[in-house]
Amino acid sequence: GAGVSQSPRYKVAKRGQDVALRCDPISGHVSLFWYQQALGQGPEFLTYFQNEAQLDKSGLPSDRFFAERPEGSVSTLKIQRTQQEDSAVYLCASSFNRDTYEQYFGPGTRLTVT
Amino acid sequence: AQSVTQPDIHITVSEGASLELRCNYSYGATPYLFWYVQSPGQGLQLLLKYFSGDTLVQGIKGFEAEFKRSQSSFNLRKPSVHWSDAAEYFCAVVLNSGYSTLTFGKGTMLLVSP
Repeated sequence: GAGVSQSPRYKVAKRGQDVALRCDPISGHVSLFWYQQALGQGPEFLTYFQNEAQLDKSGLPSDRFFAERPEGSVSTLKIQRTQQEDSAVYLCASSFNRDTYEQYFGPGTRLTVT
Repeated sequence: AQSVTQPDIHITVSEGASLELRCNYSYGATPYLFWYVQSPGQGLQLLLKYFSGDTLVQGIKGFEAEFKRSQSSFNLRKPSVHWSDAAEYFCAVVLNSGYSTLTFGKGTMLLVSP
């Protein structure tokens, strides 16, 4: 596709439910990033993939957060037993490789936990 | 601590007036510097970036930014603001090592008055 796509665009979950957020990066992009953007804040790094390898997951806030990219293209961010503090916009970005330093962002998934 | 600071949460500018958004960083070495814009419901769009060389960089939509090492600043400017520039603006840095993870400021919301 022309850009990074994310689905769903909006997700409402009841506290305690599991959610899965999908990211389709730009074709051929090796690097993929997930960020969390709380209301009124700048995005904060969650995790990074180079192809299928998750090289950095230092930003994941708890062990309820899990991300994968099994074939080195599409990535899924999963949140187990959602809590209200998980409400945020989750942004996915991709770049050609780790040395490109220019990331292209998707529109984000707005997660609301009630 | 390493950080990116955008001291202005909101700025209101009259249409046609000039604009300057401030950004300061606190890192031991000069990072790579970026400005992104985020319109409501949209992903982040890269306006411009600075890696090295000429300290005045030109970006899209008529924006420019100037890197000042002595002030650890990378302020964004536009000579004449249009109503369509109303959005949230984020300054971000990448340490020129590691996985090119972006660290963002908290953003400045630009309001444009008629």
